[in-house]
Amino acid sequence: QQPVQSPQAVILREGEDAVINCSSSKALYSVHWYRQKHGEAPVFLMILLKGGEQKGHEKISASFNEKKQQSSLYLTASQLSYSGTYFCGTEDRAAGNKLTFGGGTRVLVKP
Amino acid sequence: ETGVTQSPTHLIKTRGQQVTLRCSSQSGHNTVSWYQQALGQGPQFIFQYYREEENGRGNFPPRFSGLQFPNYSSELNVNALELDDSALYLCASSLGLAQTGELFFGEGSRLTVL
Repeated sequence: QQPVQSPQAVILREGEDAVINCSSSKALYSVHWYRQKHGEAPVFLMILLKGGEQKGHEKISASFNEKKQQSSLYLTASQLSYSGTYFCGTEDRAAGNKLTFGGGTRVLVKP
Repeated sequence: ETGVTQSPTHLIKTRGQQVTLRCSSQSGHNTVSWYQQALGQGPQFIFQYYREEENGRGNFPPRFSGLQFPNYSSELNVNALELDDSALYLCASSLGLAQTGELFFGEGSRLTVL
């Protein structure tokens, strides 16, 4: 079943923070985060494998709560380049990266 | 390091026709996955190929089929096209089955079915 992302869209001013949530009804083995800019390929941001462990990519970090079957992506001090659609992809077991993606969160960072 | 390339980038077909999409995986990657991305939605897993064998399939009918070649490039074939097949088809390569790791996506083939 597809993970649910929230919010569906967010508009930020440069320098502001935002949180994107990803929730699953199934127990998760891993959560992957990707960003896709308009007309481009999705680009890998990070993978989270262990509960409660945070990873980071520039000023973008994420957490994974296994018990709640949730992951959150934190955009800190957002930059114009952070604009795009963010997708979480989940696996319920080690399955060779056969991901089930959420519907995406559109992020627009304005000057 | 050569990235993932897909062809064609855009194509238009009519209902009932057949289409073949092609993907060259990143150098050194032996696993290719195909995803369908409808407008405004997240990518949906179609199937995955590992060393020329299908390794897992999503909820897509048999008219969606694929191949992987000895050089690890891949094809996606769709027969009896339907209007709902209009989408961006993404190919992603990765290294190995046992590893949970980064997927390297191509820019996709945008299929329009009229």
